[in-house]
Amino acid sequence: QVQLQQWGAGLLKPSETLSLTCAVYGGSFSGYYWSWIRQPPGKGLEWIGEINHSGSTNYNPSLKSRVTISVDTSKNQFSLKLSSVTAADTAVYYCARVVPAAIWPYYYYYMDVWGKGTTVTVSS
Amino acid sequence: SSELTQDPAVSVALGQTVRITCQGDSLRSYYASWYQQKPGQAPVLVIYGKNNRPSGIPDRFSGSSSGNTASLTITGAQAEDEADYYCNSRDSSGNHGVFGGGTKLTVL
Repeated sequence: QVQLQQWGAGLLKPSETLSLTCAVYGGSFSGYYWSWIRQPPGKGLEWIGEINHSGSTNYNPSLKSRVTISVDTSKNQFSLKLSSVTAADTAVYYCARVVPAAIWPYYYYYMDVWGKGTTVTVSS
Repeated sequence: SSELTQDPAVSVALGQTVRITCQGDSLRSYYASWYQQKPGQAPVLVIYGKNNRPSGIPDRFSGSSSGNTASLTITGAQAEDEADYYCNSRDSSGNHGVFGGGTKLTVL
């Protein structure tokens, strides 16, 4: 059974860089996308971006200038960096496995395994 | 369009049927997936694809899609179904994920 274990700094000052890592246990790394999602306090889920095993990335256009997602296939890990954080970046950050699929004429992607979440607070 | 629209709140009497909807132009090309989130917990996948349930999800949960609207139906809602529900899909380009704003389900 695939499990995701995530970790990273939980308290940052404004202008610092958020850094989180998610390790994949018990399953293949290839054939999937690996995603980061966040949830500000009391608000909904926001898709941050994703990466596949070969390093191809997609980012939320609203965060693209500050986000980098990378992968280390030798360790079955993927990471998130978000630069120049502000209080608006305070949120619970989740990593998730994304399964791409298709059944004609539709495509679909779903997140079937999630990490437990990491609370990140940005405060001076 | 990159937006998915959900009603903020829906209520249902115990044992009755409730439908939660998600609207967006991209749903004409991409199926939505649905996630249940209870307070303090990570989201859990409940429906994906045309109408598929992961192992362990009760069969009272079902999904459907028509035009630009995806729906999650709970037939015979239980007290433990009270939660926030989010739809997720891709934007029209297919290159970005997008979530609906979420629907808070109250079971009366």
